[in-house]
This record gives sequence, structure tokens and C-alpha cells, in this order.
Amino acid sequence: KAGVTQTPRYLIKTRGQQVTLSCSPISGHRSVSWYQQTPGQGLQFLFEYFSETQRNKGNFPGRFSGRQFSNSRSEMNVSTLELGDSALYLCASSGGQNGGELFFGEGSRLTVL
Amino acid sequence: AQTVTQSQPEMSVQEAETVTLSCTYDTSESDYYLFWYKQPPSRQMILVIRQEAYKQQNATENRFSVNFQKAAKSFSLKISDSQLGDAAMYFCAISGTYKYIFGTGTRLKVLA
Repeated sequence: KAGVTQTPRYLIKTRGQQVTLSCSPISGHRSVSWYQQTPGQGLQFLFEYFSETQRNKGNFPGRFSGRQFSNSRSEMNVSTLELGDSALYLCASSGGQNGGELFFGEGSRLTVL
Repeated sequence: AQTVTQSQPEMSVQEAETVTLSCTYDTSESDYYLFWYKQPPSRQMILVIRQEAYKQQNATENRFSVNFQKAAKSFSLKISDSQLGDAAMYFCAISGTYKYIFGTGTRLKVLA
């Protein structure tokens, strides 16, 4: 069974630009969640989607948005990029029940110059 | 709100020895799950061990075990017979309603 796939793996943007990251979950998983990982801050929860509905979101500004498609693939978008948005963005999929195991992708490393 | 605190940014252990990583948490929910995840260098994060809060028995997975103290809100991870492949970042996490809260991580170094 294929794992969680995130694209692109690496990208470099400049301040003010916008970026879209993609995540394909494990087949059969209907929940996709996104996390921002920075040194010293651990993983910060961005949002979670289940069957195309956002069920929860973290404390990030409105520049961070996401969506989920009918095939469970998910995208997150960051507009008006700031230097502080440089991070590893991790996507995780699961069956969707509370307390279930998360399966992570390798992440998309975003550098904002 | 739920919080997870890992007070040890970095730990070292000699190969074949035992090491314990600390984690404390706070939650107002009565039903929750606790996790330890491992992130090897440049590799995917994987689940090490999972504990259901309503179970008093500590979870064990081969060389990995937890010491779950519910009243103290403590959830430490013990790694026995440490191996070079155990070197990684370890994150403690708690499940909330459709989200997971992670600690800041502990980098474990294994010395040959």
C-alpha cells in the first residue's frame, strides 16, 4: 500500500508570493491533517479535513488555508508569504477517528527569501 | 486547551543502555490518547507507541515502553537496549477533537 505522498518536496519562494502544497493520503484514509514544523516549536497543528469538510483548525492567520477533494487528496495554500513561514510542512492521513494513528508524509520544505 | 511539554531538548544514551524521555501534558478532556512519534533524520515520522488514557496498564512495544501517570499527567517513554537506529527526534503527542497536539521534541543521540 502506497504511503502518504507530499509534493513538492522542496521549494523556494520570495516574500509576498503564494504557495500551494499537495498531499495524497493512504488509500482508504479520509482524514488529512496538516502541521507546520519549525526548530524549537515542534509541530503546530494547521487544520484537519475529513470527507471534504474542515473539522478543526489551529491558531494560524487566514493566509493559511486548505481544502480536500472528493478523492481525499488535500491541498494547503499560504498567501502573502512571510519569512517566518519558512518551515517543513507535514501532512498526515488517518481513518479519521479520534485517537487513531497518524501516517505522515515526508513533508514539503518551504524556504521564503 | 491541551498542551504537551517535553523539557529535554536533547538526550544521549550509550548503545545497549536504557534511556527515558519525559513528557507532561495538560487536558480537560476525559477521553484522550497519548502517543510517542519518532522522526529519524530526513525520514518520515512514525508511531512508536500509543496509550489509551482510560487504560491503566502501560503500553509496551518490544524495547519501547511507557510510564503513564494519569494523575500527574505524565507520559514518559523508556527505550531499553538502545540501538544506533533509535537516534531520532521523539515527539510526545495528545489527541484532541480532530487534532493532535505535539510537544517540541527531544533529540536522542545514541553513542557507539
